[in-house]
Amino acid sequence: SQTIHQWPATLVQPVGSPLSLECTVEGTSNPNLYWYRQAAGRGLQLLFYSVGIGQISSEVPQNLSASRPQDRQFILSSKKLLLSDSGFYLCACRASRENEQFFGPGTRLTVL
Amino acid sequence: TQLLEQSPQFLSIQEGENLTVYCNSSSVFSSLQWYRQEPGEGPVLLVTVVTGGEVKKLKRLTFQFGDARKDSSLHITAAQPGDTGLYLCAGAEWSFNKFYFGSGTKLNVKP
Repeated sequence: SQTIHQWPATLVQPVGSPLSLECTVEGTSNPNLYWYRQAAGRGLQLLFYSVGIGQISSEVPQNLSASRPQDRQFILSSKKLLLSDSGFYLCACRASRENEQFFGPGTRLTVL
Repeated sequence: TQLLEQSPQFLSIQEGENLTVYCNSSSVFSSLQWYRQEPGEGPVLLVTVVTGGEVKKLKRLTFQFGDARKDSSLHITAAQPGDTGLYLCAGAEWSFNKFYFGSGTKLNVKP
């Protein structure tokens, strides 16, 4: 079964600074990869998903971007963080020919 | 607009009570997943239901997928404090490229 790593676990950044969150997956090949953001105690908002290297679909217009430079690596970035970018960011993976997602441990981002 | 509506949003019960959480939509899904999440951690998959009308049991948890594949329920029998957490349902579109999440049900089981 796949294992999903995310780092850092927590991050405190000033407004206007850049951001890079990384997600890597082990135990599967050619997975679909996802970035979600979660407000405290609430559901998940899909930000980006990728069906392959270099293929990114954006779900909501915002201050963030995503890239997939390798099959099992998914990166979430921003050039200038806003206060509203604070939240809990989750990376998820769906193995090919499977119908369910598995999640990483998440990154808690606080923008001050 | 939330594609999947979960109810109730909050539930606080005593240990030993039974409860049901509902996940409803006007859309048809290829499958539906239920997750449980603890604060500061990623959601953990509990079950996937695929066939309309399907019922799955996981110890004290019973999951049902509606006949029309638009809704689902999670029933917990004799709740325990260890069941406390945020329960999320997610529906998969037919390509399995995207999953739509409900807003979550926050369950607190008091000893």
